[in-house]
Amino acid sequence: AQSVTQLDSQVPVFEEAPVELRCNYSSSVSVYLFWYVQYPNQGLQLLLKYLSGSTLVKGINGFEAEFNKSQTSFHLRKPSVHISDTAEYFCAVSDPGGNEKLTFGTGTRLTIIP
Amino acid sequence: DTAVSQTPKYLVTQMGNDKSIKCEQNLGHDTMYWYKQDSKKFLKIMFSYNNKELIINETVPNRFSPKSPDKAHLNLHINSLELGDSAVYFCASSQLRVENYGYTFGSGTRLTVV
Repeated sequence: AQSVTQLDSQVPVFEEAPVELRCNYSSSVSVYLFWYVQYPNQGLQLLLKYLSGSTLVKGINGFEAEFNKSQTSFHLRKPSVHISDTAEYFCAVSDPGGNEKLTFGTGTRLTIIP
Repeated sequence: DTAVSQTPKYLVTQMGNDKSIKCEQNLGHDTMYWYKQDSKKFLKIMFSYNNKELIINETVPNRFSPKSPDKAHLNLHINSLELGDSAVYFCASSQLRVENYGYTFGSGTRLTVV
């Protein structure tokens, strides 16, 4: 069975500062990895995904994430955050070729301080 | 055109009632899902259908019954609603071919049981 751990439930960051949201996963098989963002009272929007190839993945809104197989991590980063980045961020993992369900972490609330 | 659409967006109902949530996707995806997001924002899969066939049925009370009339629709019927059913329910569909692997979510249905 696969699982996802997001250790930080809340991350406050000053505007224009860099941010890293941590995600670790556990799985006995190869995985696909995703980051989703949920703005207040809205649905889930895909930020980026890792399927294969380059371990550094670039997404929308200036976000990027790095897949590290040895550390089973997929941390999300942005060099300079904006007020509009305030949202809930979810890391998720799927098991390609298995039951294909998407398993989510518990989410990290990113709050940008003006 | 909305890729994954759910109706209604909000649903307020009394305990004991029966209600349905509808979901339609126009992406041509073969697999559809229902996820539940609780008050702590945790997202958990409930059901998954592939081409009208049930393939994932997590530990969900029998009061919840999914129905897939065709591969573009996945509805969720809930009998004898309880206070604990209050949550946001998300429908999703997925493209599982390697070259375009991904999941698309609807905007959610906020169910409030009073």
